[in-house]
Amino acid sequence: EAQVTQNPRYLITVTGKKLTVTCSQNMNHEYMSWYRQDPGLGLRQIYYSMNVEVTDKGDVPEGYKVSRKEKRNFPLILESPSPNQTSLYFCASSEWTGGSDTQYFGPGTRLTVL
Amino acid sequence: KQEVTQIPAALSVPEGENLVLNCSFTDSAIYNLQWFRQDPGKGLTSLLLIQSSQREQTSGRLNASLDKSSGRSTLYIAASQPGDSATYLCAVNGGSNYKLTFGKGTLLTVNP
Repeated sequence: EAQVTQNPRYLITVTGKKLTVTCSQNMNHEYMSWYRQDPGLGLRQIYYSMNVEVTDKGDVPEGYKVSRKEKRNFPLILESPSPNQTSLYFCASSEWTGGSDTQYFGPGTRLTVL
Repeated sequence: KQEVTQIPAALSVPEGENLVLNCSFTDSAIYNLQWFRQDPGKGLTSLLLIQSSQREQTSGRLNASLDKSSGRSTLYIAASQPGDSATYLCAVNGGSNYKLTFGKGTLLTVNP
Protein backbone atom coordinates (compact mmCIF):
# COMPACT_ATOMS: atom_id res chain seq x y z
CA GLU A 1 0.00 0.00 0.00
CA ALA A 2 1.32 3.43 -0.97
CA GLN A 3 1.76 5.51 2.14
CA VAL A 4 3.61 8.11 4.13
CA THR A 5 4.37 7.06 7.69
CA GLN A 6 5.40 9.19 10.66
CA ASN A 7 6.70 8.25 14.07
CA PRO A 8 5.91 8.88 16.79
CA ARG A 9 2.27 9.82 16.38
CA TYR A 10 2.14 11.51 19.77
CA LEU A 11 4.98 12.95 21.82
CA ILE A 12 5.17 14.93 25.03
CA THR A 13 8.60 16.28 25.89
CA VAL A 14 10.29 19.02 27.87
CA THR A 15 12.04 22.18 26.76
CA GLY A 16 15.52 21.61 25.44
CA LYS A 17 15.42 17.84 25.02
CA LYS A 18 16.44 16.99 21.46
CA LEU A 19 13.96 14.94 19.47
CA THR A 20 13.50 13.52 15.99
CA VAL A 21 10.26 12.86 14.16
CA THR A 22 10.71 10.32 11.40
CA CYS A 23 8.98 10.34 8.03
CA SER A 24 9.14 7.56 5.47
CA GLN A 25 7.42 7.05 2.11
CA ASN A 26 7.28 3.90 -0.02
CA MET A 27 6.36 5.53 -3.34
CA ASN A 28 9.87 6.44 -4.52
CA HIS A 29 8.93 10.11 -4.49
CA GLU A 30 11.58 12.74 -5.10
CA TYR A 31 9.86 15.56 -3.23
CA MET A 32 9.24 15.55 0.52
CA SER A 33 8.15 18.29 2.85
CA TRP A 34 7.27 19.09 6.46
CA TYR A 35 4.34 21.25 7.57
CA ARG A 36 3.05 22.34 10.94
CA GLN A 37 -0.59 23.03 11.66
CA ASP A 38 -1.67 25.50 14.33
CA PRO A 39 -5.14 26.79 15.23
CA GLY A 40 -5.90 30.04 13.44
CA LEU A 41 -2.71 29.83 11.35
CA GLY A 42 -3.44 26.79 9.23
CA LEU A 43 -0.71 24.66 7.68
CA ARG A 44 2.69 26.21 7.04
CA GLN A 45 5.70 24.67 5.35
CA ILE A 46 8.81 24.15 7.52
CA TYR A 47 11.35 22.53 5.18
CA TYR A 48 11.31 20.70 1.89
CA SER A 49 13.56 18.44 -0.14
CA MET A 50 13.59 17.95 -3.88
CA ASN A 51 15.85 14.89 -3.76
CA VAL A 52 18.58 13.17 -1.77
CA GLU A 53 20.97 15.68 -0.19
CA VAL A 54 18.86 18.62 -1.50
CA THR A 55 16.95 20.48 1.22
CA ASP A 56 15.76 24.05 1.68
CA LYS A 57 13.81 26.24 4.07
CA GLY A 58 10.09 26.80 3.89
CA ASP A 59 8.15 29.56 5.60
CA VAL A 60 8.85 28.70 9.24
CA PRO A 61 12.24 26.91 9.49
CA GLU A 62 13.51 28.47 12.74
CA GLY A 63 14.25 25.87 15.40
CA TYR A 64 14.14 22.90 13.01
CA LYS A 65 16.62 20.84 11.02
CA VAL A 66 16.13 18.18 8.39
CA SER A 67 18.24 15.70 6.47
CA ARG A 68 17.70 13.64 3.33
CA LYS A 69 20.28 10.88 3.18
CA GLU A 70 17.96 8.36 1.58
CA LYS A 71 15.17 8.95 -0.88
CA ARG A 72 12.50 7.36 1.30
CA ASN A 73 13.28 9.11 4.61
CA PHE A 74 13.04 12.75 5.66
CA PRO A 75 13.41 13.18 9.44
CA LEU A 76 12.54 16.41 11.24
CA ILE A 77 14.94 17.31 14.05
CA LEU A 78 14.26 19.68 16.92
CA GLU A 79 17.65 20.29 18.54
CA SER A 80 16.28 22.28 21.49
CA PRO A 81 12.48 22.21 21.49
CA SER A 82 10.55 25.12 22.97
CA PRO A 83 6.88 25.43 23.93
CA ASN A 84 6.11 27.45 20.78
CA GLN A 85 6.92 24.32 18.78
CA THR A 86 3.92 22.57 20.27
CA SER A 87 1.94 21.74 17.16
CA LEU A 88 0.59 19.09 14.81
CA TYR A 89 3.24 18.12 12.27
CA PHE A 90 2.67 16.59 8.85
CA CYS A 91 5.09 15.06 6.41
CA ALA A 92 4.18 15.02 2.71
CA SER A 93 5.65 13.53 -0.45
CA SER A 94 5.08 13.60 -4.18
CA GLU A 95 6.71 12.88 -7.47
CA TRP A 96 8.46 15.81 -9.07
CA THR A 97 7.39 16.21 -12.67
CA GLY A 98 7.10 19.97 -12.95
CA GLY A 99 4.29 20.64 -10.53
CA SER A 100 1.49 18.41 -11.73
CA ASP A 101 1.53 15.87 -8.96
CA THR A 102 -0.66 15.10 -5.98
CA GLN A 103 0.98 15.52 -2.60
CA TYR A 104 0.37 12.70 -0.13
CA PHE A 105 0.33 13.38 3.58
CA GLY A 106 1.27 11.29 6.57
CA PRO A 107 -1.08 10.81 9.54
CA GLY A 108 0.50 13.57 11.62
CA THR A 109 2.55 13.82 14.79
CA ARG A 110 1.10 15.72 17.71
CA LEU A 111 3.96 17.26 19.68
CA THR A 112 3.64 18.92 23.07
CA VAL A 113 6.66 20.72 24.53
CA LEU A 114 6.35 21.53 28.22
CA LYS B 1 3.04 36.29 -1.38
CA GLN B 2 0.26 33.81 -2.10
CA GLU B 3 -2.76 34.00 0.17
CA VAL B 4 -5.61 31.52 0.18
CA THR B 5 -9.02 32.29 1.65
CA GLN B 6 -11.84 29.85 2.23
CA ILE B 7 -15.44 30.87 2.72
CA PRO B 8 -17.43 30.02 4.74
CA ALA B 9 -15.32 29.09 7.76
CA ALA B 10 -18.09 26.76 8.94
CA LEU B 11 -21.18 25.30 7.35
CA SER B 12 -23.96 23.18 8.77
CA VAL B 13 -26.47 21.53 6.44
CA PRO B 14 -29.11 18.79 6.61
CA GLU B 15 -28.37 15.47 5.00
CA GLY B 16 -29.12 15.31 1.29
CA GLU B 17 -28.33 18.93 0.46
CA ASN B 18 -26.03 19.93 -2.34
CA LEU B 19 -23.42 22.41 -1.19
CA VAL B 20 -20.58 24.56 -2.43
CA LEU B 21 -17.33 25.43 -0.68
CA ASN B 22 -15.35 28.39 -1.92
CA CYS B 23 -11.64 29.04 -2.20
CA SER B 24 -9.89 32.14 -3.51
CA PHE B 25 -6.20 32.84 -4.05
CA THR B 26 -4.27 36.01 -4.76
CA ASP B 27 -1.57 34.87 -7.24
CA SER B 28 -2.79 33.15 -10.37
CA ALA B 29 0.67 31.76 -11.23
CA ILE B 30 -0.01 28.27 -9.91
CA TYR B 31 0.82 24.71 -10.96
CA ASN B 32 -2.31 23.19 -9.54
CA LEU B 33 -4.89 23.34 -6.77
CA GLN B 34 -5.77 20.52 -4.42
CA TRP B 35 -8.76 19.96 -2.21
CA PHE B 36 -8.17 17.94 0.96
CA ARG B 37 -10.34 16.52 3.66
CA GLN B 38 -9.22 16.44 7.30
CA ASP B 39 -11.06 14.56 10.02
CA PRO B 40 -10.58 15.73 13.62
CA GLY B 41 -7.07 14.94 14.85
CA LYS B 42 -6.26 13.09 11.66
CA GLY B 43 -4.15 13.54 8.56
CA LEU B 44 -5.06 15.04 5.21
CA THR B 45 -6.75 13.03 2.50
CA SER B 46 -6.42 14.33 -1.03
CA LEU B 47 -9.83 14.59 -2.70
CA LEU B 48 -9.20 16.25 -6.03
CA LEU B 49 -6.32 17.88 -7.86
CA ILE B 50 -6.93 20.35 -10.69
CA GLN B 51 -4.04 21.27 -12.95
CA SER B 52 -3.65 24.94 -13.85
CA SER B 53 -4.71 24.14 -17.43
CA GLN B 54 -7.90 22.38 -16.36
CA ARG B 55 -11.32 23.82 -15.53
CA GLU B 56 -12.72 21.04 -13.38
CA GLN B 57 -12.29 17.57 -11.93
CA THR B 58 -14.87 15.10 -10.70
CA SER B 59 -14.73 12.18 -8.31
CA GLY B 60 -17.98 10.53 -7.33
CA ARG B 61 -20.19 13.10 -5.62
CA LEU B 62 -17.43 15.72 -5.65
CA ASN B 63 -16.77 18.25 -8.37
CA ALA B 64 -14.07 20.89 -8.18
CA SER B 65 -13.75 23.81 -10.56
CA LEU B 66 -10.91 26.22 -11.16
CA ASP B 67 -10.95 29.72 -12.63
CA LYS B 68 -7.29 30.62 -12.54
CA SER B 69 -7.67 34.07 -14.01
CA SER B 70 -10.05 35.19 -11.28
CA GLY B 71 -8.24 33.23 -8.56
CA ARG B 72 -11.20 31.09 -7.57
CA SER B 73 -12.06 27.45 -7.01
CA THR B 74 -15.20 25.77 -5.79
CA LEU B 75 -15.82 22.31 -4.37
CA TYR B 76 -19.32 21.05 -5.03
CA ILE B 77 -20.62 18.18 -2.92
CA ALA B 78 -23.78 16.52 -4.16
CA ALA B 79 -26.31 14.80 -1.92
CA SER B 80 -24.34 15.37 1.28
CA GLN B 81 -24.11 12.62 3.91
CA PRO B 82 -23.22 12.69 7.63
CA GLY B 83 -19.97 10.92 6.72
CA ASP B 84 -18.96 14.01 4.73
CA SER B 85 -18.61 15.95 7.99
CA ALA B 86 -15.00 17.12 8.18
CA THR B 87 -12.80 20.12 7.54
CA TYR B 88 -12.16 20.78 3.86
CA LEU B 89 -8.91 22.45 2.93
CA CYS B 90 -7.98 24.14 -0.29
CA ALA B 91 -4.27 24.30 -1.18
CA VAL B 92 -2.55 26.07 -4.04
CA ASN B 93 0.72 24.78 -5.46
CA GLY B 94 2.94 27.47 -6.87
CA GLY B 95 6.49 28.71 -6.93
CA SER B 96 9.87 27.09 -7.37
CA ASN B 97 9.75 25.23 -4.07
CA TYR B 98 6.57 23.35 -4.94
CA LYS B 99 5.05 24.60 -1.71
CA LEU B 100 1.39 24.14 -0.93
CA THR B 101 -0.22 27.29 0.46
CA PHE B 102 -3.29 26.32 2.44
CA GLY B 103 -6.48 28.09 3.29
CA LYS B 104 -7.72 27.82 6.87
CA GLY B 105 -10.47 25.43 5.87
CA THR B 106 -14.23 25.08 5.98
CA LEU B 107 -15.66 22.99 8.82
CA LEU B 108 -18.60 21.09 7.35
CA THR B 109 -21.24 19.44 9.49
CA VAL B 110 -23.92 17.34 7.79
CA ASN B 111 -26.80 16.64 10.13
CA PRO B 112 -28.82 13.40 9.84
